This record gives sequence, C-alpha cells and structure tokens, in this order.
Amino acid sequence: EPEVTQTPSHQVTQMGQEVILRCVPISNHLYFYWYRQILGQKVEFLVSFYNNEISEKSEIFDDQFSVERPDGSNFTLKIRSTKLEDSAMYFCACSTVSYNEQFFGPGTRLTVL
Amino acid sequence: QKEVEQNSGPLSVPEGAIASLNCTYSDRGSQSFFWYRQYSGKSPELIMFIYSNGDKEDGRFTAQLNKASQYVSLLIRDSQPSDSATYLCAALSSNTGKLIFGQGTTLQVKP
Repeated sequence: EPEVTQTPSHQVTQMGQEVILRCVPISNHLYFYWYRQILGQKVEFLVSFYNNEISEKSEIFDDQFSVERPDGSNFTLKIRSTKLEDSAMYFCACSTVSYNEQFFGPGTRLTVL
Repeated sequence: QKEVEQNSGPLSVPEGAIASLNCTYSDRGSQSFFWYRQYSGKSPELIMFIYSNGDKEDGRFTAQLNKASQYVSLLIRDSQPSDSATYLCAALSSNTGKLIFGQGTTLQVKP
C-alpha cells in the first residue's frame, strides 16, 4: 500500500539554524500539505501546495517558512532561522484532490535547543 | 475563527462495548469531515470521512453527520483494547484542502 515517507524522523538543531524537512508523497497525489503538532496540542495547518504554488498558508507560516517541490517527488519544508517555539512534530500529508481524504506521513520530530 | 471542538476525555469503555465520540464545528460552510486515529507519538491515521447528512458505516465504525446541528460523531462497535488511542475530528475548511482539527478525544478500552 502506498504511503507517505518523511525524513529525518528526528532533527535536533540549535536556535537560529536552518532546517529542511523532507517528504515523499504518494505518487499519484497532487495536493500536498504541512501540519505541525506541538506536544499535547492540536494538529495545526501550516500550508497547502498544488501545481508548484502555495494554495493557502496559515498565520504560523511566516517569512521564516518556505516550501518547495524541488524534483517532482520530494516536498520540503524549510525553516530559515529556527526558534525554540518551532519545536514540534511536523507532518506532511497529501491527497488526490483538495476535498478528498488526506494521508499523513509518520512525521519529523523537530527539537530546537 | 473556525473551530472544531471535542471533549478531551478520557472516555473509558469496557471491551466489546460501543464507544461514542463527538465533535462540533463552528463553520457552517464546512462540507467534509474526517476522523483520524492517533496513537501516542505517531501520526494521524485516517479512519473514515463523511460529507452527507446521516450515517456512514465502515466495518466496526459508523460516522454520523448532522449539518443543522453542526455535529459529527464516530461510533466504534465491539471496542477492542487496540482501539485505545486519541481520536481526532477534522473539518475541511476551504477548497485548498486546509483541515481544522479538534484537540482529540482519548479513548481507553479496558479488557
């Protein structure tokens, strides 16, 4: 069964450093998303991406965040200058169309020290 | 502010019983609703989705939607200890695919 993969599973970084989180969505899915979940809190939407463009982004997704589909298979989330409050689980998700069910990857646990 | 509300629980049921999980949403424009299961430290796993008023059944799971009351529920029949997890309700907020999640209800199924 096709699944979403994410690397790394755990990333530890120093405050102010750049991190890139990587995702390989399911191959025939065209809509891609990033969500995050701070420990003990709700899953929060960050950004949706379709046809190589951001479709929608949340207030959390400020200028420090960017997304890219560099090679037609990977989907990346970059945080330019990490803050302590960026520590969270980051989930990539995908869907065939925007109103269909979304399938989540296993997540990357980001720890900012 | 579009919101999805769930009772955080824990909801405790004996093995073999029916577990009933509830969710309300604030945005009348939401058309589709999703139930995910999340084990501790893991990612959300899709159980089922519903977009029409009424019931939708899939195995031991039944989702119910009442748009007039802005209410979604998930029934789990013949609950098993392996069903013990946090159940997340999510509403599709826009045509860009943005999901708004509730805080989740923790279900404990006791043998």
